[in-house]
Amino acid sequence: AQTVTQSQPEMSVQEAETVTLSCTYDTSESDYYLFWYKQPPSRQMILVIRQEAYKQQNATENRFSVNFQKAAKSFSLKISDSQLGDAAMYFCACTTSGTYKYIFGTGTRLKVLA
Amino acid sequence: EAQVTQNPRYLITVTGKKLTVTCSQNMNHEYMSWYRQDPGLGLRQIYYSMNVEVTDKGDVPEGYKVSRKEKRNFPLILESPSPNQTSLYFCASSYEARGNQPQHFGDGTRLSIL
Repeated sequence: AQTVTQSQPEMSVQEAETVTLSCTYDTSESDYYLFWYKQPPSRQMILVIRQEAYKQQNATENRFSVNFQKAAKSFSLKISDSQLGDAAMYFCACTTSGTYKYIFGTGTRLKVLA
Repeated sequence: EAQVTQNPRYLITVTGKKLTVTCSQNMNHEYMSWYRQDPGLGLRQIYYSMNVEVTDKGDVPEGYKVSRKEKRNFPLILESPSPNQTSLYFCASSYEARGNQPQHFGDGTRLSIL
């Protein structure tokens, strides 16, 4: 069975600083995909970044990057130069080509301090 | 505009009164899915559909039904709602079931069952 664990219910970061959100996962499949979604107070779900398991290179999208450690089954999100608009709930998620199910973590609430 | 549309956005109803939450996408996506979001539990998948007439259970299917008679629509049916189904519900779609395609989410339906 797939599992996704986010062990940090809440994190804070000073504006312009860098913060890392943790995520670990478990799956027996070899073909899988990992995602980070952002949910601001408007409750929309917004894709931040995704990573294919077969790619060794860490994905990057502007100020957002991941540290994908496949052997450790770890998929952390780094936000650089944090902005007030980054304040949101962040969810880590995993899906596999075998099951087509999506499993989400319990989320990390990020506060950005001015 | 490409979008996933859910209706209603908010609903307060009583135990046992059948209700349907509609979901429609205009992107010709094959894969559609329903999630519920509860505090501390993240998003949990209820049902998903890989194409017309092809549906399967997610992690929390009890008390829900779905159908996929047309590619664009994927309604969620609560035949006899109970208070433990009070939650925030999201519909999502993606081009295909493989995870290399990101999911597009609707704006959510806040459901309260008294």
